[in-house]
Amino acid sequence: NAGVTQTPKFQVLKTGQSMTLQCAQDMNHNSMYWYRQDPGMGLRLIYYSASEGTTDKGEVPNGYNVSRLNKREFSLRLESAAPSQTSVYFCASIRTGGSGSPLHFGNGTRLTVT
Amino acid sequence: GENVEQHPSTLSVQEGDSAVIKCTYSDSASNYFPWYKQELGKRPQLIIDIRSNVGEKKDQRIAVTLNKTAKHFSLHITETQPEDSAVYFCAASISDQAGTALIFGKGTTLSVSS
Repeated sequence: NAGVTQTPKFQVLKTGQSMTLQCAQDMNHNSMYWYRQDPGMGLRLIYYSASEGTTDKGEVPNGYNVSRLNKREFSLRLESAAPSQTSVYFCASIRTGGSGSPLHFGNGTRLTVT
Repeated sequence: GENVEQHPSTLSVQEGDSAVIKCTYSDSASNYFPWYKQELGKRPQLIIDIRSNVGEKKDQRIAVTLNKTAKHFSLHITETQPEDSAVYFCAASISDQAGTALIFGKGTTLSVSS
């Protein structure tokens, strides 16, 4: 049981390049999330998906797109990377979509945009 | 939308002392309040949570209190140890037609010196 798996662990991009961050969970969770973490800013919600086929914007969605490919996988795409998107990205999932469920986090992807 | 304020941003204590971290939230509909601990270079891990129908919850040296009327909740760590040194995040749930998500505070860096 791997939990929440994120790939890659590290990535360096040049400004304007595109890439997709991958996330998969094997816990049969319904809801999945993408957060970014910057020093002094905490964890900020980018996008989330309450169930397969649905996605919704979080606090900081600009510059990102997401795809809930199936129940297991939730990807985050940067179409044209900018230095402001340098961050650590965490994917997370919740067992149920209702309140009162703790988030299970992946190990994160450290992205640097030069 | 939900806004979660967390204080202090840094906290230094001597081993054996108590530490208190406070959070306030803005959305009166929030009903789930978890606390996460994040060690350097690692993913956030849930340490304790509380739901809106409970005023206090304890787990060994850790306790959380919730005041729904005032919209604030606090983390209390007693008999602190060096291994308690980490960044601590509070969070509050939000729910809408799209589903449920967690909004985080900006974090508190706790340093416990021996």
